[in-house]
Amino acid sequence: QVQLVESGGGVVQPGRSLRLSCAASGFTFSSYAIHWVRQAPGKGLEWVSVISYDGSSKYYGDSVKGRFTISRDNSKNTLYLQMNSLKAEDTAVYYCAKSLGGNYYFENWGQGTLVTVSS
Amino acid sequence: EIVLTQSPATLSLSPGERATLSCRASQSVSNSLAWYQQKPGQAPRLLIYDASNRATGIPVRFSGSGSGTDFTLTISSLEPEDFAVYYCQQRSNWPPLTFGGGTKVEIK
Repeated sequence: QVQLVESGGGVVQPGRSLRLSCAASGFTFSSYAIHWVRQAPGKGLEWVSVISYDGSSKYYGDSVKGRFTISRDNSKNTLYLQMNSLKAEDTAVYYCAKSLGGNYYFENWGQGTLVTVSS
Repeated sequence: EIVLTQSPATLSLSPGERATLSCRASQSVSNSLAWYQQKPGQAPRLLIYDASNRATGIPVRFSGSGSGTDFTLTISSLEPEDFAVYYCQQRSNWPPLTFGGGTKVEIK
């Protein structure tokens, strides 16, 4: 079965960096676009970024553009999110999510990893 | 950016009742809309995609309808496990992919 496991979350000071990982199994990782979606405590869902199946295309939400970088290593079945210049408003649970086929719906989700940006 | 507005914010119903949730888009998204269910402490779960197609393993009591700017998620008869928060999401015009603010279905 499809499994997505995020890691790398924690407490970080404003302005610092953090890298999240998402380990995938149970499907052909190199065939699917993968997303990052976040959820601030007690709030709704916010799409963060997507990377195409081969890593050639990447898109970002406006709130993270220029600060976050998405990447993937298909040989390791792993997705990454490099987060720089972190702000308090980046505090959230970060989920990785697999696309539904070629459609940008979120078919499978990880359990999430919490990032807290605080001094 | 396409804004999705969900209503009501909270829906108070009893098990066995019918739930009707609304999602309105700020411009047409054709049928490129999905619905998700999220329970406390859990990741969201895809229920409906392309406005009316049930995702794998989703019970038939969940149905979606609509096109253009107005969409509805209907739960025909609420089961105890259906009390949760529901989000709509569009993929028609992106980036960004956008979500509605959510509707909480609570036990009356």
